[in-house]
Amino acid sequence: QKEVEQDPGPLSVPEGAIVSLNCTYSNSAFQYFMWYRQYSRKGPELLMYTYSSGNKEDGRFTAQVDKSSKYISLFIRDSQPSDSATYLCAFNTNAGKSTFGDGTTLTVKP
Amino acid sequence: DSGVTQTPKHLITATGQRVTLRCSPRSGDLSVYWYQQSLDQGLQFLIQYYNGEERAKGNILERFSAQQFPDLHSELNLSSLELGDSALYFCASSVGRRGDTQYFGPGTRLTVL
Repeated sequence: QKEVEQDPGPLSVPEGAIVSLNCTYSNSAFQYFMWYRQYSRKGPELLMYTYSSGNKEDGRFTAQVDKSSKYISLFIRDSQPSDSATYLCAFNTNAGKSTFGDGTTLTVKP
Repeated sequence: DSGVTQTPKHLITATGQRVTLRCSPRSGDLSVYWYQQSLDQGLQFLIQYYNGEERAKGNILERFSAQQFPDLHSELNLSSLELGDSALYFCASSVGRRGDTQYFGPGTRLTVL
């Protein structure tokens, strides 16, 4: 069983829609929860990071973590065509080991 | 631009050869991470160095090795290359050792023929 399962997509939405991206994990040692955006196999770009259960908001992005259910989500409000990319969830343990999801490809249509 | 630089951008080589990929972290960052991204696989964590010392190891093959130098730049050495080693190799850096805020370089595209 993989440590991280990410909704595979692809996801296609109209401009202005609310997007929900989701990952589940099984490793209780994961302490840090991140979301990255990757355009066309370029270097991933850090969007959000958090350490605790609950919601964290940054502009149009909200990261949600539920440690008891081992579930994290990223919500994008008022999605724009420029949000079209692959989104990666990522996890770190205190020992420094990083684990990424396989990514969800999002297309936002004008 | 994340501030992380990687050289070269592209590398084409033959099976059995050895290559070295180089990474310069952002100014002030002490940690360097190496990742492999193949077409059919996600981003695979290889290894982390913090201030010159190996800190965490992922799915790094024995044919691969890395080091971080006193000036904090890092090199990833890949030897006895196989066709399956063809991939994008990314370096990332962060200030601390936790790995929660990693900034990625543009990657090196390795093609093994």
